[in-house]
Amino acid sequence: NAGVMQNPRHLVRRRGQEARLRCSPMKGHSHVYWYRQLPEEGLKFMVYLQKENIIDESGMPKERFSAEFPKEGPSILRIQQVVRGDSAAYFCASSETGYGYTFGSGTRLTVV
Amino acid sequence: TQLLEQSPQFLSIQEGENLTVYCNSSSVFSSLQWYRQEPGEGPVLLVTVVTGGEVKKLKRLTFQFGDARKDSSLHITAAQPGDTGLYLCAGAWRGNKLVFGAGTILRVKS
Repeated sequence: NAGVMQNPRHLVRRRGQEARLRCSPMKGHSHVYWYRQLPEEGLKFMVYLQKENIIDESGMPKERFSAEFPKEGPSILRIQQVVRGDSAAYFCASSETGYGYTFGSGTRLTVV
Repeated sequence: TQLLEQSPQFLSIQEGENLTVYCNSSSVFSSLQWYRQEPGEGPVLLVTVVTGGEVKKLKRLTFQFGDARKDSSLHITAAQPGDTGLYLCAGAWRGNKLVFGAGTILRVKS
């Protein structure tokens, strides 16, 4: 049983481009969470999704950021018109019940 | 805003020494989790504590949840170089959302 799969592992974007980060949860897990981590800091909650629904997006910036978890396929975190301040590691976690997270290895976004 | 403060931020010790990492908050959490994260990887769950006063042991690691469920500690006995990493505490807030501390960077020198 594969763990939480995130791709790409590293992503470089120029300012103004779009970044798409993908997360495939563990098999059987219907709860997905996205967190952002700046260097030498803890993780900051962004959004919590269940299949086809956004449950809590209180940690997500109001502009340029969006997330989805469609019925079929991975969860996508989309950042439009990236700026240098978006450079960070983005982690996805999944759980079966809403508790007991398993994290992916993250996507390291660098905006140049 | 729920805050979890971890201390110390950085710890460098010799192999064989003992250490304790603290996680404190003014908020009550329904549960508290400890993670270990290595460079370039995601956090890996070590333990979840739920009951106030609970103590859990994982080999040389001892985790304690405060009676009021606002604080926790991680004690490592006879640290080894393989224990090196970033240790994160996280409180469960409103069931599903986790609030993370800033982490403690542990370096164990051989």
